[in-house]
Amino acid sequence: EVQLLESGGGLVQPGGSLRLSCVASGFTFNNYAINWVRQAPGKGLEWVSAIGGSGSGSYYTDSVKGRFTISRDNSKNTVFLQMNSLRAEDTAVYYCVKVYSGSYIINALDYWGQGTLVTVSS
Amino acid sequence: DIQMTQSPSTLSASVGDRVTITCRASQSIRNWLAWYQQKPGQAPKLLIYEASSLENGVPSRFSGSGSGTEFTLTISSLQPDDFATYYCQQYNSYGSGTFGQGTKVEI
Repeated sequence: EVQLLESGGGLVQPGGSLRLSCVASGFTFNNYAINWVRQAPGKGLEWVSAIGGSGSGSYYTDSVKGRFTISRDNSKNTVFLQMNSLRAEDTAVYYCVKVYSGSYIINALDYWGQGTLVTVSS
Repeated sequence: DIQMTQSPSTLSASVGDRVTITCRASQSIRNWLAWYQQKPGQAPKLLIYEASSLENGVPSRFSGSGSGTEFTLTISSLQPDDFATYYCQQYNSYGSGTFGQGTKVEI
């Protein structure tokens, strides 16, 4: 059974940092890209970032470029999202998501974690 | 960047109705489009990928069509479990995976 478990969310002040983790199981981890998708309270889905299975390619939405860094440790089946210089508008539930096919880094998303809430507020 | 526009934003329907949701891309995305269903307090669920391919386990009353810039999600006979919010997502752009703004299907 495919499972993705996020952790690391919480309350942080504007300008602060958080590191989200996503531990995966139930599939050959290094064969699949992982994406992060966020959802602000009461709002729609926003694609945030993606990393290839080998970790060699990564992409970001414009609003987080230069502030967020995605990485992975395939020996621990874990993906990370390092979030720096956080802003109020980064407040959201952050989902870790597996791509449907291993062929592309950005792809349809078939398995989602339960999400972790990040709140940026003073 | 590719923009995705869904319509309508809200749709009022009854059990048994045929429901159609439209998603338009700001430029051609070939057939690189997915549809998701999200219920309150839950993570989204993949329904359709590559514009018209039904994900395993998804009821056949769901179908997707379109290519290029115009896409539709159709529910042939709305069931009580289908009241939810639906999102389209493009994944043609190599640098991003933009979602539409969502369509809430309500009674």
